[in-house]
Amino acid sequence: EVVLTQSPDFQSVTPKERVTLTCRASQSIGINLHWYQQKPDQSPKLLIKYASQSFSGVPPRFSGSGSGTEFTLTISSLEAEDAATYYCHQSTILPNTFGQGTKLEIK
Amino acid sequence: QVQLQQWGAGLLKPSDTLSLTCGVSGGSFSGYYWSWIRQPPGKGLEWIGEVNHSGSTNYNPSLKSRVSISLDKSRNQFSLNLTSVTAADTAVYFCARRWNWLDPWGQGTLVTVSS
Repeated sequence: EVVLTQSPDFQSVTPKERVTLTCRASQSIGINLHWYQQKPDQSPKLLIKYASQSFSGVPPRFSGSGSGTEFTLTISSLEAEDAATYYCHQSTILPNTFGQGTKLEIK
Repeated sequence: QVQLQQWGAGLLKPSDTLSLTCGVSGGSFSGYYWSWIRQPPGKGLEWIGEVNHSGSTNYNPSLKSRVSISLDKSRNQFSLNLTSVTAADTAVYFCARRWNWLDPWGQGTLVTVSS
């Protein structure tokens, strides 16, 4: 199975800071890499599909890039409401797999 | 707009069978995979498996011997069965629609396995 490794596991950031999260795949997955935001006691919400396409209704400060084995999620100017855990997900190879998550804390 | 609403028993004993159902409103089954994902308390997400509109299934090999996912188009719902549960199966279980990406998601159901 494809192992997705996210870094960092945890990051404490200040509002308005630019944040970059990374997801690395153990083998090439093209662009079938998607990003989700999960807040405590909520279901995950889709942010980015196909590595770089913003999902409907997602604030423009969220963007994604990458292909193959290296992907990034960038928050251009962090807001307090962005405190959450972020997961990457690949759908190229069965079984679908998720990264272990990156928890963002707002200072 | 498609919405998913899930339900099922929240407390099981070891060796019981976990059964959850996800109701689909506002959309068609065609063209998508209908998926189950779980999340142990304080941990990450694990993909369990999925079924498409024609009943074709894919399962996570780690659970394949115990899992079954089915579709009932007449009732606009799909279901998850997981047999012989243990404490390791304690998790929040989510249903979701998959077109490559997963969206939307159900609200989640906490299933606790305890004697």
